[in-house]
Amino acid sequence: DTEVTQTPKHLVMGMTNKKSLKCEQHMGHRAMYWYKQKAKKPPELMFVYSYEKLSINESVPSRFSPECPNSSLLNLHLHALQPEDSALYLCASSQVDLFANTGELFFGEGSRLTVL
Amino acid sequence: DAKTTQPPSMDCAEGRAANLPCNHSTISGNEYVYWYRQIHSQGPQYIIHGLKNNETNEMASLIITEDRKSSTLILPHATLRDTAVYYCIVRNKIIFGKGTRLHILP
Repeated sequence: DTEVTQTPKHLVMGMTNKKSLKCEQHMGHRAMYWYKQKAKKPPELMFVYSYEKLSINESVPSRFSPECPNSSLLNLHLHALQPEDSALYLCASSQVDLFANTGELFFGEGSRLTVL
Repeated sequence: DAKTTQPPSMDCAEGRAANLPCNHSTISGNEYVYWYRQIHSQGPQYIIHGLKNNETNEMASLIITEDRKSSTLILPHATLRDTAVYYCIVRNKIIFGKGTRLHILP
């Protein structure tokens, strides 16, 4: 199984809603990542988890709250978002973390979020 | 962090080799070069990576200059399905640059 599964594929939410994006992998990878991608722009790193601990937060606003309940799961909790947060949210995993210089990223297909 | 520079777009005729350049002049000695591509509305897909030596797999070849300051991704026989944005990334920090939008022309 070389898949990273993201749910939901599409999400529409109001600015006062609380929702979550989910990501799952069963490749035994111990590093997991959240990226945000706006149209015609490259993916922008948000968070990195290594061995279930948050290792990188790229100065992401607190209305985005990541969680890594176990080595296979990664969540992104969303609260009080703004319309400009509408984007494709990509999850990725890798065999080792950023600093070991090995291990390609496996990406999911993304969750397309629209904030009204 | 080593930064990469790629041309914003390139065209290639179907069936010809597509050669995508990447400049990474500030690369450190232990940093790998990774290539990914992103087909419209899909997640990025890993293509190939290398440190010093040239590498080849079923998708592509990677040529790294001896001083490691630049590299070239080669798609030997481009097809329409290779139309995508191609990203060159230097490892240690998974930061995507703007990439090259490759158009394969029929």
